[in-house]
Amino acid sequence: DVKVTQSSRYLVKRTGEKVFLECVQDMDHENMFWYRQDPGLGLRLIYFSYDVKMKEKGDIPEGYSVSREKKERFSLILESASTNQTSMYLCASSFGGGTNYEQYFGPGTRLTVT
Amino acid sequence: DAKTTQPPSMDCAEGRAANLPCNHSTISGNEYVYWYRQIHSQGPQYIIHGLKNNETNEMASLIITEDRKSSTLILPHATLRDTAVYYCIFQSVYSGGGADGLTFGKGTHLIIQP
Repeated sequence: DVKVTQSSRYLVKRTGEKVFLECVQDMDHENMFWYRQDPGLGLRLIYFSYDVKMKEKGDIPEGYSVSREKKERFSLILESASTNQTSMYLCASSFGGGTNYEQYFGPGTRLTVT
Repeated sequence: DAKTTQPPSMDCAEGRAANLPCNHSTISGNEYVYWYRQIHSQGPQYIIHGLKNNETNEMASLIITEDRKSSTLILPHATLRDTAVYYCIFQSVYSGGGADGLTFGKGTHLIIQP
């Protein structure tokens, strides 16, 4: 089974702190994604990566950056956390070939910024 | 953008088949129908996808009408653990190697009754 793990299930940080969210997948997938999910707003794409060291902005990249130094690991960085970044953060991965584009998600990190 | 229409909620008795409909009258010929679900406080989970033929896997069956304007996800023997929000979405076969973010609508909240 594909496994996507995220470093924390719950995280509480203070405004202005630098926050690192880590995601690891064990299926050798080329594509990795970071989303946030908020009630009433659904799933929104922050950043994605289609290869090591490659990254592309999603729909809401402001206030975030990412890093992909190894194929299996994709990190989301909140440079200076703000209260409006309180959310559920979801990491996903998918195979980059063929036409089967199903994404496999981690359990999510519920981040609270106070 | 192609849109899907799903009922906001459905009930099903435990052990019975759960049939979840999705209307997608604007789907184009190169777009797959994908189904995901999200159990409360967990990451979304891929269920199944199809282009024009019916599909079955260990989790569910997918029936796509001949005109491709609607589909039905069937959970053959629903259990309490199948209580979740189910999302029907599209993804193009030309979707850049799968490196496209997912956009979920409101989905159907399926409640399995004991």
